[in-house]
Amino acid sequence: QKEVEQNSGPLSVPEGAIASLNCTYSDRGSQSFFWYRQYSGKSPELIMSIYSNGDKEDGRFTAQLNKASQYVSLLIRDSQPSDSATYLCAVSGGYNFNKFYFGSGTKLNVKP
Amino acid sequence: KAGVTQTPRYLIKTRGQQVTLSCSPISGHRSVSWYQQTPGQGLQFLFEYFSETQRNKGNFPGRFSGRQFSNSRSEMNVSTLELGDSALYLCASSPLDRPLLTQYFGPGTRLTVL
Repeated sequence: QKEVEQNSGPLSVPEGAIASLNCTYSDRGSQSFFWYRQYSGKSPELIMSIYSNGDKEDGRFTAQLNKASQYVSLLIRDSQPSDSATYLCAVSGGYNFNKFYFGSGTKLNVKP
Repeated sequence: KAGVTQTPRYLIKTRGQQVTLSCSPISGHRSVSWYQQTPGQGLQFLFEYFSETQRNKGNFPGRFSGRQFSNSRSEMNVSTLELGDSALYLCASSPLDRPLLTQYFGPGTRLTVL
């Protein structure tokens, strides 16, 4: 079992819709959770971090964390074609605090 | 502030050769991590250095090694290259002692092994 699981997609949504990206993790002791965006041919860029249960909003992005279900999600409201990218979920903490685990990423396509 | 820089950006090597990649973190950042990214395996953690000490290591063979200098610049070395080592190698730096709270990635080095 991989430490972090994501649906590889592609997830296609129309412009203006809400895109919902999901991630599950295996280490129940994990403490820090991140969403990175990676455009084709570019390096990952941190867009959200979340450390406690509940929702965290930043502009059009909302990260949701449920530690009991070991589940992290990212909602993108009013999706734009420029949001088309691969979204990587990353988790750290747990039995090896300084180790970072990435999911394989979900490819998002926002259609005009 | 300048971002994380990596050199070279592109590299072509043949099987059996060795290669050294370089990473300069953001000024003031003391933690440097290295990752390998391939289409099949995704982003995989190689190792992390803080104050010239390797603090964490991923599940890669001993052919992959690294080091960090007193100015926080880091290098990684891959010896006896294999075709499967073709990948994008990413370096990330962090300003905090707990590095994985925030990481900033460099542009990567694209290594092709022929």
